Amino acid sequence: GAVVSQHPSRVICKSGTSVKIECRSLDFQATTMFWYRQFPKQSLMLMATSNEGSKATYEQGVEKDKFLINHASLTLSTLTVTSAHPEDSSFYICSAFPQRPNNEQFFGPGTRLTVL
Amino acid sequence: AQSVTQPDIHITVSEGASLELRCNYSYGATPYLFWYVQSPGQGLQLLLKYFSGDTLVQGIKGFEAEFKRSQSSFNLRKPSVHWSDAAEYFCAVGPNDYKLSFGAGTTVTVRA
Repeated sequence: GAVVSQHPSRVICKSGTSVKIECRSLDFQATTMFWYRQFPKQSLMLMATSNEGSKATYEQGVEKDKFLINHASLTLSTLTVTSAHPEDSSFYICSAFPQRPNNEQFFGPGTRLTVL
Repeated sequence: AQSVTQPDIHITVSEGASLELRCNYSYGATPYLFWYVQSPGQGLQLLLKYFSGDTLVQGIKGFEAEFKRSQSSFNLRKPSVHWSDAAEYFCAVGPNDYKLSFGAGTTVTVRA
């Protein structure tokens, strides 16, 4: 089956530093990947759509300069949280849509970010 | 705007008993509807989806869901739960397969 990995699974950083989260599709190519954010006991909120070779599309209210997204290849998208603050602490989840359309997106296991 | 409400935050059910998880949605047109399951350390896994046709949808792991337009609902059911069904379940709605809005999730605990 289609597998999406995320690295790291957990990260703790100091306020003001930047953190990079990787999302990889392991056994398929994905022209489109999505980044979600999940607060405890709340739903997943779509942050942005990442398209290979082009700029990401951000949802309303998401700061594009704060959350930098790069989709450099058909199997890798990265989310960089710049100048992280405690309010950025959250669970970040990516999903990937296969290049060959099968109308299903596959989710990574998520990354827990804690900013001290 | 699209939104999803899962009224039950936590449900406890005995192994072998039936399970029903509620989902109500708000959407202006004919929606795509989904149920996902998330186990600890795992990514969300698609259980089933509906976008047209028969309103009773069969999914994996013995789950089914029924789309009721009049009630704006898409409830998930399983006749007999197994201990391995303990997980968090998310209902989602969208205009297509990928621009989804998720509910807050329902945590299912299975007792022996």
